[in-house]
Amino acid sequence: EPEVTQTPSHQVTQMGQEVILRCVPISNHLYFYWYRQILGQKVEFLVSFYNNEISEKSEIFDDQFSVERPDGSNFTLKIRSTKLEDSAMYFCASSGFDRGLAGGMREQYFGPGTRLTVT
Amino acid sequence: QQQVKQSPQSLIVQKGGISIINCAYENTAFDYFPWYQQFPGKGPALLIAIRPDVSEKKEGRFTISFNKSAKQFSLHIMDSQPGDSATYFCAARHRGSTLGRLYFGRGTQLTVWP
Repeated sequence: EPEVTQTPSHQVTQMGQEVILRCVPISNHLYFYWYRQILGQKVEFLVSFYNNEISEKSEIFDDQFSVERPDGSNFTLKIRSTKLEDSAMYFCASSGFDRGLAGGMREQYFGPGTRLTVT
Repeated sequence: QQQVKQSPQSLIVQKGGISIINCAYENTAFDYFPWYQQFPGKGPALLIAIRPDVSEKKEGRFTISFNKSAKQFSLHIMDSQPGDSATYFCAARHRGSTLGRLYFGRGTQLTVWP
């Protein structure tokens, strides 16, 4: 069964450093997302992406964050200057298109996550 | 502001029992309500989902009940098994969100005792 994959599984970085989290969405999916989950808390939306553009972003997704689809398979989240409070599990998700559904979007499938620890 | 409120925070059920997790929402612009199951160290996995034009959806041992007028929905796990022990998140998708941003509840940690 196709699945979303993410690398690395765990990233440790020092405050102020840049990190890039990588995701390979399900191959025929068109819509891509990043969510994060601070330990013990709920999953929170960061950003959605379609056709090489950000579609929507939350208040969490400030200027320190950026997303990119550098090629036909990868989807990346960059944090330019990490802060302690960026420590969290970051999940990539992808979704396909179904013309028969309202809004056209199918369910979102999540990757296993990257645990980011900022020290 | 919590868009989706979920309860209980934790739940302990004996094997074979029924697990019930409840969620409530305020925003009538939500148009799709998935439930996700998450095991430790893994990403949320879609379990079952419902749209507000139906009141119930059943898949195997898992049933969603949806009460549109009360703006509440719940997950029932029949014949609960130790392998069901996980964290369960309800979520809601906003109709106005171009790509279907999901709002998650805080999660319920389910433990099923053998």
